[in-house]
Amino acid sequence: GAVVSQHPSWVICKSGTSVKIECRSLDFQATTMFWYRQFPKQSLMLMATSNEGSKATYEQGVEKDKFLINHASLTLSTLTVTSAHPEDSSFYICSGQGFTGELFFGEGSRLTVL
Amino acid sequence: AQSVTQLGSHVSVSEGALVLLRCNYSSSVPPYLFWYVQYPNQGLQLLLKYTTGATLVKGINGFEAEFKKSETSFHLTKPSAHMSDAAEYFCAVTPTGTASKLTFGTGTRLQVTL
Repeated sequence: GAVVSQHPSWVICKSGTSVKIECRSLDFQATTMFWYRQFPKQSLMLMATSNEGSKATYEQGVEKDKFLINHASLTLSTLTVTSAHPEDSSFYICSGQGFTGELFFGEGSRLTVL
Repeated sequence: AQSVTQLGSHVSVSEGALVLLRCNYSSSVPPYLFWYVQYPNQGLQLLLKYTTGATLVKGINGFEAEFKKSETSFHLTKPSAHMSDAAEYFCAVTPTGTASKLTFGTGTRLQVTL
């Protein structure tokens, strides 16, 4: 199947700093990217949907100024957690959807904010 | 609106025994249904999906699921568990024709013992 790669897979940062997570579709063009957040032992919660070249659509309760999403090309989307705090520590997963409509998930990025 | 209920957050079976993971859904329109598997610190991998047609769906690694509209269920089964099946399993639903905005269940952790 198609491959979606996230980087970094692990990141530790100090409180107040910003962290960028990249999500790349390696062998297909992702017209839409989805960003999820997963708390320990819980399900995935959709944070936002982004279409290439457009502003992301955020789910209710997600701070768009805190979680900046950019989808500048058909193969790259980024999530920037600005002024991170310990409560932002989580597992972030992206998924890409290509022209076939099928979703492919990245391997996830674990963020720990000290 | 859609929702998914996974009965049993933790299921333990012996190697070689039947695996049954339960999923019930609620949807105002005919749904697309999915089962995903997540290994520790990894993203989600699609096991199988139901869109239309045959209600018994076969997936990877010997898993299958049956869509039962009358019971609003999509239970996941495997005749004989293997140690490598130990993982977290998520059921997900999306409205027909939009295989994108998935609503996930809370997951079931499958433990396989000798």
